[in-house]
Amino acid sequence: DIQMTQSPSSLSASVGDRVTITCRASQSISSYLNWYQQKPGKAPKLLIYAASSLQSGVPSRFSGSGSGTDFTLTISSLQPEDFATYYCQQSYSTFDTFGQGTKLEIK
Amino acid sequence: EVQLVESGGGLVQPGGSLRLSCAASGFTFSSYEMNWVRQAPGKGLEWVSYISSSGSTIYYADSVKGRFTISRDNAKNSLYLQMNSLRAEDTAVYYCARESHFYGGDYFDYWGQGTLVTVSS
Repeated sequence: DIQMTQSPSSLSASVGDRVTITCRASQSISSYLNWYQQKPGKAPKLLIYAASSLQSGVPSRFSGSGSGTDFTLTISSLQPEDFATYYCQQSYSTFDTFGQGTKLEIK
Repeated sequence: EVQLVESGGGLVQPGGSLRLSCAASGFTFSSYEMNWVRQAPGKGLEWVSYISSSGSTIYYADSVKGRFTISRDNAKNSLYLQMNSLRAEDTAVYYCARESHFYGGDYFDYWGQGTLVTVSS
């Protein structure tokens, strides 16, 4: 199975900050990488697919980049509603796998 | 509006069985592949099972293979997960998720609200 490792596991930041979350795959996954946001008690929400494609309706302050094994999710200017947990997911292999999550907290 | 609504969760004893359902609306259910994803309390997301649009292709995570069975009824716009021989480690919120595709990859663009399964004596 392909292992996905996110860093950091948690992050404190302030409104207006630029934030970057990293996801590393245990083998090359081309651009088959998605990002989700999850708020407490809610289902995950798709933000980015194919490493850098913004899902319809998602604010443009969210962006994704990378290919191969290393990927990043960037939030250009944090808003209060962005404090949540973020997960990466690979869809390169038959069995999709998720990263362990990055919890973004208010500083 | 796309909607996925899970039901069937609850408290079950170890070794017991439970059947989850996911009712789909707002899209042509028979055209989409579907998945179950679970999340143990305070933990991350774990993919559980996949079924193709026709039901002819099915995959399971190793952790549930041989115990869980995914199925669908396209006439009823419904997805199911039959869970047998349940263990404490199966305790989780179970989500159904619609799968869409790009190039050769996939993503889960719509999720249900989840249903909680608790396995405990």
